[in-house]
Amino acid sequence: GESVGLHLPTLSVQEGDNSIINCAYSNSASDYFIWYKQESGKGPQFIIDIRSNMDKRQGQRVTVLLNKTVKHLSLQIAATQPGDSAVYFCAENSSGTYKYIFGTGTRLKVLA
Amino acid sequence: DTEVTQTPKHLVMGMTNKKSLKCEQHMGHRAMYWYKQKAKKPPELMFVYSYEKLSINESVPSRFSPECPNSSLLNLHLHALQPEDSALYLCASSQEGTEETQYFGPGTRLLVL
Repeated sequence: GESVGLHLPTLSVQEGDNSIINCAYSNSASDYFIWYKQESGKGPQFIIDIRSNMDKRQGQRVTVLLNKTVKHLSLQIAATQPGDSAVYFCAENSSGTYKYIFGTGTRLKVLA
Repeated sequence: DTEVTQTPKHLVMGMTNKKSLKCEQHMGHRAMYWYKQKAKKPPELMFVYSYEKLSINESVPSRFSPECPNSSLLNLHLHALQPEDSALYLCASSQEGTEETQYFGPGTRLLVL
């Protein structure tokens, strides 16, 4: 289930289940979006990206969905594994700008 | 190779010290970034360099001074920091700077006493 703590929402899923992590982005002019995974003590690691002319993109075990109407982004992880435990951030960028705005993040806990 | 390296990994400094953080990439990227990240928070943009010129300064206090000596290197000079500046400092790079993947380094964990 999902819970919202003082600082970081947490999603707990059973190993082998699918995970869905959501992100509400802020700028309707944003046209490029990235999902990052950040493990404890490490820098953010690129997972997958999507441009605004697409509504779905698939990678290895991951799918990103973009709904521009409601400014919503989601990351789906298939067959979640213990190694997927981390904090996941979405980031948005607008064409012609260097600024990337990060979402608040979601901690994913994979239960054995 | 999509590696961004940062040194040192950890740094402890007093409020009167002067220190520098270093970042290096050899991917031919022309945009480089400094972010600050507090615990359980997302990275916050501090500075952006594009083609070795400062493009964005997000109203960062002058006790943080960035420098881009060449297209592969990015430094962050620290002077007279405050305890609240303790954080993880992340460097990132991207090909040109907009609508592109940013690649992050492992960060420098800074503690100001």
